[in-house]
Amino acid sequence: NAGVMQNPRHLVRRRGQEARLRCSPMKGHSHVYWYRQLPEEGLKFMVYLQKENIIDESGMPKERFSAEFPKEGPSILRIQQVVRGDSAAYFCASSLQGIGSNQPQHFGDGTRLSIL
Amino acid sequence: DAKTTQPNSMESNEEEPVHLPCNHSTISGTDYIHWYRQLPSQGPEYVIHGLTSNVNNRMASLAIAEDRKSSTLILHRATLRDAAVYYCILQQSGGYQKVTFGIGTKLQVIP
Repeated sequence: NAGVMQNPRHLVRRRGQEARLRCSPMKGHSHVYWYRQLPEEGLKFMVYLQKENIIDESGMPKERFSAEFPKEGPSILRIQQVVRGDSAAYFCASSLQGIGSNQPQHFGDGTRLSIL
Repeated sequence: DAKTTQPNSMESNEEEPVHLPCNHSTISGTDYIHWYRQLPSQGPEYVIHGLTSNVNNRMASLAIAEDRKSSTLILHRATLRDAAVYYCILQQSGGYQKVTFGIGTKLQVIP
């Protein structure tokens, strides 16, 4: 059973470029969550998506950041016009049912984004 | 925003039991207690969860106080591979409420 797959594992961008982070959930999972983690800090919730719908984006900056989870294909976290402060590890998690069902989340190994 | 409080760090000797505490004094009746751990350079990994009764699985045990305002994750025999950051979080059942991770407890295992 393949777990949550994130790619790329490492991504380097220059200020002003765009960063696209991909997440393929576990097979059969239709709920996806994105988190950001700065060095020596905990995970900060960004966005929760269910197939083709954004359920909660309260943790995501309103500018430059967007997320999608299309009917087919991986979930994408897109950061436009990156700045140095966007440097962090971005983790994706998936679950079989939503958080209210008490299902555990299964995490990928993250994408480490570095901004030059 | 974390609804749980954990010590920043703990140490344990290899092959000894480890008790990782978590306080959640504002827990509601529909909140489950979940534990995850994060090994270096990896994503968090689910460990165990419970509501009121103590729980056991192959990884750990979870002891929940009678008033549910605190809980303890028990690793029965710490190994070097257990060195990680352990997160205690509350997850509401029956409705959506986003999950909040705190800083967690960094566990160091001494050989």
